[in-house]
Amino acid sequence: DSGVTQTPKHLITATGQRVTLRCSPRSGDLSVYWYQQSLDQGLQFLIHYYNGEERAKGNILERFSAQQFPDLHSELNLSSLELGDSALYFCASSGPFGGGLGDTQYFGPGTRLTVL
Amino acid sequence: AQTVTQSQPEMSVQEAETVTLSCTYDTSESDYYLFWYKQPPSRQMILVIRQEAYKQQNATENRFSVNFQKAAKSFSLKISDSQLGDAAMYFCAYSPFGNEKLTFGTGTRLTIIP
Repeated sequence: DSGVTQTPKHLITATGQRVTLRCSPRSGDLSVYWYQQSLDQGLQFLIHYYNGEERAKGNILERFSAQQFPDLHSELNLSSLELGDSALYFCASSGPFGGGLGDTQYFGPGTRLTVL
Repeated sequence: AQTVTQSQPEMSVQEAETVTLSCTYDTSESDYYLFWYKQPPSRQMILVIRQEAYKQQNATENRFSVNFQKAAKSFSLKISDSQLGDAAMYFCAYSPFGNEKLTFGTGTRLTIIP
């Protein structure tokens, strides 16, 4: 158990819908990262938050957004869902440093999203 | 842009034997970090080992060790005394100093033969 929690574990929804994925980092970690793992794209970095502020963006679609709350949990919002958004979404946390001191990222169990 | 290449989509090894998984990367940075993560059938991403580029000594964690060749930009993982529980997908990952985003390779699926 990495100490990172993600809910829900599975999510099945229809095209055009909106969903919210939730992540709670390890105790004491200030950084939260989101990654998408799909069959055709592999593991892709989406976005990084440090202590409530966005630090870096990767290959995140405009239909996707995220935020980190004062209690440090994070949510990833996916809207206008398409079939191609079906994937495993991972949250990872590290910290307490956000300045690139090579903190190891510890991953949650992931949320499997299926868009029908 | 940094890239990570794992040229072995699949590998297999007899139980108790040793296997080496290959990884190469491309970067213009001098300070960075390299990782191996394991993803078993449960799909959980588990850290196996980590290497800081400024350290010449190769990292080891019990039966897992790396061969880090900075000039060649090579970072291979050696698993000794392979066990059935080592069966998984293994991902090599890169993170530059100052930016903790992980760039992953495409993975190597390791099968352990009893």
